Amino acid sequence: GENVEQHPSTLSVQEGDSAVIKCTYSDSASNYFPWYKQELGKRPQLIIDIRSNVGEKKDQRIAVTLNKTAKHFSLHITETQPEDSAVYFCAGRNPFSGGYNKLIFGAGTRLAVHP
Amino acid sequence: NAGVTQTPKFRVLKTGQSMTLLCAQDMNHEYMYWYRQDPGMGLRLIHYSVGEGTTAKGEVPDGYNVSRLKKQNFLLGLESAAPSQTSVYFCASSYASSNTEAFFGQGTRLTVV
Repeated sequence: GENVEQHPSTLSVQEGDSAVIKCTYSDSASNYFPWYKQELGKRPQLIIDIRSNVGEKKDQRIAVTLNKTAKHFSLHITETQPEDSAVYFCAGRNPFSGGYNKLIFGAGTRLAVHP
Repeated sequence: NAGVTQTPKFRVLKTGQSMTLLCAQDMNHEYMYWYRQDPGMGLRLIHYSVGEGTTAKGEVPDGYNVSRLKKQNFLLGLESAAPSQTSVYFCASSYASSNTEAFFGQGTRLTVV
C-alpha cells in the first residue's frame, strides 16, 4: 500500500523567508496529493492540492510541485507570516488500491515563523 | 451545513471500558474515514468506508471496530480500551472521486487511564 514520508519534522524560519516541506510517496499509481494545515487545537484543513497530470500549482503565497518520476512533491510558502505557524501534512491517494480510495498522510511538519 | 461533526469532543475512559465515537456528515459524501493523531506520527488511518454498509481496514485497525449503517454516520467502537488508545481521533469524509478534498471533524480527545 501507499506510504508517505515527510521532511522535515520541524522547521523554523524568520518572517518573510520562504519555507519548503518535502514528501515522498511509494505507490506510483497515486494520483492525488493534498496538503493540509492544522492550527493548534483545530482540525486539519485543505490549503492546496495537486493532481498527477499537473507539475505545479500556485495559490497566492503557497505553491506545490510534483515530480512523478521521482515520486516526490513539495509545498513552498513564500513571504512567510506568523499566522503560517502550524503543522502541515501532506497526503497521497491511490484510487486503485484494492478498489478502495485510501488517503494516507505523512507524519507532519511543525512550522514556526518568528517575527 | 454543519459539515462533519464528531461526538463527543472529550472523553476519559478507564482501561477495559468500551465506548463509541460518532461521526456525522451532511454533505452526502460516499467516503468516510477514522484517523488517530499522535505526536510525531501524523494522521494514521484506522478504518474507512466507501459507502453505506461497507467498511475496510486502514493502517492501524487493531482494537477498533466500525459500522456504517447509514450513509451520513460512521461509528468507531473501542470494545476494551487500553492506554495505548489515548489519542486524538479525527473523522473525515469525501466524495468518491479520487481527487477531491476530505473534510475533517473537530476531533475527539480520548484519554484511557
